[in-house]
Amino acid sequence: QKEVEQDPGPLSVPEGAIVSLNCTYSNSAFQYFMWYRQYSRKGPELLMYTYSSGNKEDGRFTAQVDKSSKYISLFIRDSQPSDSATYLCAMRGTGGSNYKLTFGKGTLLTVNP
Amino acid sequence: GAGVSQSPRYKVAKRGQDVALRCDPISGHVSLFWYQQALGQGPEFLTYFQNEAQLDKSGLPSDRFFAERPEGSVSTLKIQRTQQEDSAVYLCASSLGRSNEQFFGPGTRLTVL
Repeated sequence: QKEVEQDPGPLSVPEGAIVSLNCTYSNSAFQYFMWYRQYSRKGPELLMYTYSSGNKEDGRFTAQVDKSSKYISLFIRDSQPSDSATYLCAMRGTGGSNYKLTFGKGTLLTVNP
Repeated sequence: GAGVSQSPRYKVAKRGQDVALRCDPISGHVSLFWYQQALGQGPEFLTYFQNEAQLDKSGLPSDRFFAERPEGSVSTLKIQRTQQEDSAVYLCASSLGRSNEQFFGPGTRLTVL
């Protein structure tokens, strides 16, 4: 079993829909949780960054972390065709290996106009 | 430059050939990382440099993989005697420090025939 599990989709929604993306993890040492967006033939770019449990909102994006359930989510409101991309969750711990990101497989999202 | 650059963007190699992949990090970024992203998977950590020192090479799949950053700036990932299973996108990322945000390059897509 991988340390980070993410449903690869694909997920197809109409423009304006609310999108929910999720990851589960098994390593309780993870303290920092990130969502990256990766367009085709591009490198990942950081969308959201959360420390420990709680919610964080940035425009149309909301990240949630529930450490007790080892479950993280990304919500996209009023989705746009430009949101079509692969969304990767990533996490890291603290201490000696705090630089090492562990990624999920990524979920391919298509927003249809 | 404005971001992390990688060259070549695409590389086709015959099985058994040696390849060298280059990464130019963001100027002033002390930390540099290499990741391997297989088709349909998330990036997986290969190795980490702080300046010219390679502090972690635990993710390198075999001794055919070698990375260097001799002057603490540009880095090269070398793969000797390439195998078909080496086919993947190789991503380079850099950051100000080991636990700061990692900025990714566009990747080099390696195909081994």
